[in-house]
Formats: sequence, C-alpha cells, structure tokens
Amino acid sequence: EAQVTQNPRYLITVTGKKLTVTCSQNMNHEYMSWYRQDPGLGLRQIYYSMNVEVTDKGDVPEGYKVSRKEKRNFPLILESPSPNQTSLYFCASSTAWTGYEQYFGPGTRLTVT
Amino acid sequence: DAKTTQPPSMDCAEGRAANLPCNHSTISGNEYVYWYRQIHSQGPQYIIHGLKNNETNEMASLIITEDRKSSTLILPHATLRDTAVYYCIVREDKIIFGKGTRLHILP
Repeated sequence: EAQVTQNPRYLITVTGKKLTVTCSQNMNHEYMSWYRQDPGLGLRQIYYSMNVEVTDKGDVPEGYKVSRKEKRNFPLILESPSPNQTSLYFCASSTAWTGYEQYFGPGTRLTVT
Repeated sequence: DAKTTQPPSMDCAEGRAANLPCNHSTISGNEYVYWYRQIHSQGPQYIIHGLKNNETNEMASLIITEDRKSSTLILPHATLRDTAVYYCIVREDKIIFGKGTRLHILP
C-alpha cells in the first residue's frame, strides 16, 4: 500500500531536549516536505526537498533541521525544542514538485513543555 | 500569501451537490489549481487538480473558468463523510495552504 508514515504519532517532551520525527514514503517520490499546522494559521511549510541531498527552507524553518540522505526518508530534527514548536506536524511526498498530487502522512502531535 | 480566496464556511444538504468556489486572480499560465481536504486533524487528502481544462475523477469535478481566475470544486452527491476543510491551492514551487472552506454537510 502506497503510504507516508510518521513516527512518533504523539510526543510530549521538555524544552531543550533534542528530538527527531521520522518520515518515510514507499512510493519512490522525489519531492518531500514538512508542514506544521496551528489553530488559525493553517498549514505552513517548514522545509522541503526536491531530491536526495537537496533541501530548502519553507516559510517557517527557524528552529528546525532536515536531512535527505535517502530518497524514502526525510527526518525533521528539533535540536532544542521550545514551547512555540508545540504543533501538529505533517510530512508529505510527491512524484515531483509540480503537476502531481502530494500524499500526506497521518501527522505527529508534538507538545513541548 | 495563499494566492487564493475561499469562503470560510459553507453548508450543503446531504445528497445534494456541494459547489465550493475559489478565486485565484493572480494565477500564472503554468500554475496548476489543486484541491485538498482535511478531515478533522488527519493528514490532508488530495482530491483533484487541473491546469486549463475541466477535470473529473471518482471523487469530484473541477471547473476552471476560461480566464483561469477562478474555479469550482463540485462534490456531486455530498455525504456526511465529506464534512471537512477544503483547500484550494495554486502551486508554484511549493504548496501554500490558506485557511480553506469548512464544509458542513447537513443531514
């Protein structure tokens, strides 16, 4: 089954404790991206990757890092999480950056205390 | 800047066609129009996309005006499971999600 998986689905952590949210897709997609969703602000893009070893900032990249060492994986790294990073996070992938639909993961609800 | 304008909410009776409008007056010639929906806090789900011609799939129809400045998503026979937030997106190098239209299906 074609899918995007994220882990963990739920995470409660404390300020400053490094964490990684994993994202994996099994569709051989070149394009992957991370979004965060906050009430009243909609979905905002954090980072995206057009292919292996190619990443770029989205609209709200501050406080986040990503890597794309393999085509299928695109982890989101929070080196020193802060409470303002409490949010619902979605990973997505598509065949290319334009002309194709994006497949979204189920989401990761992160709470930073 | 979402580049699209949608009504914040709409109601539709169950079994009737739901017509969701979207304005994208600044769209450029090579930009696609995409529609996604999000049910509660699940991951957004792709519905349909188009460039110039009208499109139809098993979920919906997309009607794009000739000048491409607006479009309408049509759910032909709305059910309670279609209750969701619907996003109209004009894509260039990245998807920008606006606030969408919250569609309520009334039993």
